[in-house]
Amino acid sequence: AQSVTQLDSHVSVSEGTPVLLRCNYSSSYSPSLFWYVQHPNKGLQLLLKYTSAATLVKGINGFEAEFKKSETSFHLTKPSAHMSDAAEYFCVVSGGFSGGYNKLIFGAGTRLAVHP
Amino acid sequence: GAVVSQHPSWVICKSGTSVKIECRSLDFQATTMFWYRQFPKQSLMLMATSNEGSKATYEQGVEKDKFLINHASLTLSTLTVTSAHPEDSSFYICSGLIGGTTDTQYFGPGTRLTVL
Repeated sequence: AQSVTQLDSHVSVSEGTPVLLRCNYSSSYSPSLFWYVQHPNKGLQLLLKYTSAATLVKGINGFEAEFKKSETSFHLTKPSAHMSDAAEYFCVVSGGFSGGYNKLIFGAGTRLAVHP
Repeated sequence: GAVVSQHPSWVICKSGTSVKIECRSLDFQATTMFWYRQFPKQSLMLMATSNEGSKATYEQGVEKDKFLINHASLTLSTLTVTSAHPEDSSFYICSGLIGGTTDTQYFGPGTRLTVL
């Protein structure tokens, strides 16, 4: 069975400093992995997606994530935080192909706070 | 990018009444749509999967007679919460599966339901 664990429920950084949001996954096969962001009262936005091509995935808004199979990790990073990055971030793994699609399994989420 | 809308964005109803939530894919055809539920400060839990023109598939523990899902066209799915009770109060989010992929979902902004 597939699962995903976000290691930090809250992360707080200062504006202009690096961001690291940690995610470990468990999968019986080579999974697709995603990071989504949810701003207050807004829908989830896809930041990036890994699908067994390049292990370093670049996403929108300067975010990127590195797939490390040996560590079963898919951590999200950004070199310099911006105030607008404050939001809830979800690490997601695809969980089992059935009926022509894969279900998505969400991590518990990490709330990122950015301070001036 | 792919856009999904939901209507209404929030609704308040009395206990015992029914509420219908609409989910529309605005610029793509979604043969498969998903309905999720999100409790405050928690992650998304998949409730059901709907395929255009066929019956929805419900996750274990989700009452199909209480949460009626209809996917009548390639751009519209509806969720009706029947005989709503206060414990049904939650944030309901839909997503559409974009054509040509098996796991890239685009999410609506969500509907906040409050049952008094």
